Amino acid sequence: VQLVESGGGLVQPGKSLKLSCSASGFTFSSYGMHWIRQAPGKGLDWVAYISSSSGTVYADAVKGRFTISRDNAKNTLYLQLNSLKSEDTAIYYCARGGPLYTYYGYNVFDYWGQGVMVTVSS
Amino acid sequence: DIQMTQSPASLSASLGETVTIECRASEDIYSNLAWYQQKPGNSPQLLIYDANSLADGVPSRFSGSGSGTQYSLKINSLQSEDVASYFCQQYNNYPPWTFGGGTKLELK
Repeated sequence: VQLVESGGGLVQPGKSLKLSCSASGFTFSSYGMHWIRQAPGKGLDWVAYISSSSGTVYADAVKGRFTISRDNAKNTLYLQLNSLKSEDTAIYYCARGGPLYTYYGYNVFDYWGQGVMVTVSS
Repeated sequence: DIQMTQSPASLSASLGETVTIECRASEDIYSNLAWYQQKPGNSPQLLIYDANSLADGVPSRFSGSGSGTQYSLKINSLQSEDVASYFCQQYNNYPPWTFGGGTKLELK
């Protein structure tokens, strides 16, 4: 299993950015996927989830501003970040939800990417 | 939302020592708890799920226990490669899936 994020960078407040997570080593279309972020020197915050059938849920802090999506043909997960704020500055990780045949299913993050840094600053 | 509180926030221990990290939930989470290890400069890795089940490849010196609102992660015979931050995460009531604030483990 490999997850590789890309698309991060420095962006001004109010602007947009789109993150990608390229997946390999497993049947991407069969797994729910999450985005989780970590502000510099801080803890982990769950951001968004997309099911294998593309149902989505979001953390309150990003609802209406961020959009999670997936392209199963390209084995790629996306996160569109709009109306960015300074408090969105963080490393963004994509993470795979566990297999559905387990008790914990998609609720446990069994593989993580290396993360991509998003810095929101003027 | 379920709040997860970890203690201590930081911990210094010697090689070979036994270390215990605590995690308290704001309500009963029925053992729907995972632990993650994040080594410096790396992404988190799954250690334990369902409160006490070791993920694949995790050394047996790691163990998890607890029930209700109180859970713990124990590391027996601390090794240098265990220097990391540790996070608990609940999955009983979601969204949101919530994490503890983390425990930073260093060598004494």
